[in-house]
Amino acid sequence: EVQLVESGGGLVQPGGSLRLSCAASGFTFSSYDMHWVRQSTGKGLEWVSAIDTSGDTYYPDSVKGRFTISRENARNSLYLQMNSLRAEDTAVYYCARERNSYGLDALDIWGQGTMVTVSS
Amino acid sequence: DIVMTQSPDSLAVSLGERATINCKSSQSVLYSSNNKNYLAWYQQKPGQPPRLLIYWASTRESGVPDRFSGSGSGTDFTLSISSLQAEDVALYYCQQYYSLPCTFGQGTKLEIK
Repeated sequence: EVQLVESGGGLVQPGGSLRLSCAASGFTFSSYDMHWVRQSTGKGLEWVSAIDTSGDTYYPDSVKGRFTISRENARNSLYLQMNSLRAEDTAVYYCARERNSYGLDALDIWGQGTMVTVSS
Repeated sequence: DIVMTQSPDSLAVSLGERATINCKSSQSVLYSSNNKNYLAWYQQKPGQPPRLLIYWASTRESGVPDRFSGSGSGTDFTLSISSLQAEDVALYYCQQYYSLPCTFGQGTKLEIK
């Protein structure tokens, strides 16, 4: 079964750091571009970062310089290192697989998400 | 950034009737070299992650019932559900993946009338 399972969420103080993990199974992880997408409570979806099969990374301005996406193909794992966290980073964080790696594509597999709460 | 705007914000439709959700992008998401619209539709039920329904604006994902269809090109797109079922109650989002940052619409809440 194709599956993504996130972990690492929790409560952190403003200015703190957190590292999210996403374990992939059921597909050849190294062959796919991967993304993180977040959703604040009652709000819509916001793209957070992407990493392609070559290891090139991409971020929106809202997290650039604070968040770092990485992957470890040998462990079938995706990571999101989040530093200098702010209250507005509070959200459910999903990892998601891009349909294929030949240019941008839709996100066809999503994990169940992990909750990050930034509060003092 | 490309801004995606959905309408309406919420929609109530009777069982068996047609539901239509619109999505407009602030610039074209049609890539001229391959004539593909970089537009997807997702369904999200409470407590669940989004589920991909439609990609390339009109291609149904495997396993998606054929009552779901997508249409449109350039900047204007539509998701239609031909005969609403109870299990279709959900939030629906459009997304452009023409350029990064990929962006989502604000969502449309679909309910039973």
